[in-house]
Amino acid sequence: QKEVEQNSGPLSVPEGAIASLNCTYSDRGSQSFFWYRQYSGKSPELIMSIYSNGDKEDGRFTAQLNKASQYVSLLIRDSQPSDSATYLCAVNWRDGGTASKLTFGTGTRLQVTL
Amino acid sequence: SAVISQKPSRDICQRGTSLTIQCQVDSQVTMMFWYRQQPGQSLTLIATANQGSEATYESGFVIDKFPISRPNLTFSTLTVSNMSPEDSSIYLCSVAAGWAEAFFGQGTRLTVV
Repeated sequence: QKEVEQNSGPLSVPEGAIASLNCTYSDRGSQSFFWYRQYSGKSPELIMSIYSNGDKEDGRFTAQLNKASQYVSLLIRDSQPSDSATYLCAVNWRDGGTASKLTFGTGTRLQVTL
Repeated sequence: SAVISQKPSRDICQRGTSLTIQCQVDSQVTMMFWYRQQPGQSLTLIATANQGSEATYESGFVIDKFPISRPNLTFSTLTVSNMSPEDSSIYLCSVAAGWAEAFFGQGTRLTVV
């Protein structure tokens, strides 16, 4: 069973602060890792992908990957009220054939307060 | 990224009936995926829809309950059959690109009464 674990939150941070979201996964064979943002009533939107150990930065977002520890994180700098959403961690796996599939964590709800 | 159109966007259905959800992509894709998101839960993969072959279902999902069609490389349907209130969920179509990242349609919010 492929598992992806996230703290459900809510994680509350003040506007302008750094939000830190964490995710652990069970499948050591996973190669691709993603963070999705989901606003209430909307479908998930891809915001970050990471494939190699280390950090990857894109604007206010930084994804961090540590394959040895099976750990992925997302940092959001200068948090804004518009960042308030549920953040889903997703990890890929292959079913033995050609299909690359994703397992999603339960998501962390982020609240950015004024 | 591909543009994915899903319809209906929402529906309220009577128990025991069936609903077919359509997913149209603006470009040809090899695989399309169907997910379910139950209230307050994360996404669970139902099946992978392959053009020209039977869909591949994940554990806990069966073809009789969730038949899938994939007539060409831009279109797929998911039917939720013999519905019960437990089927009330958001159903999402997605396609994969590049290094397996998934892009989603806007979802179908299904309520079974």
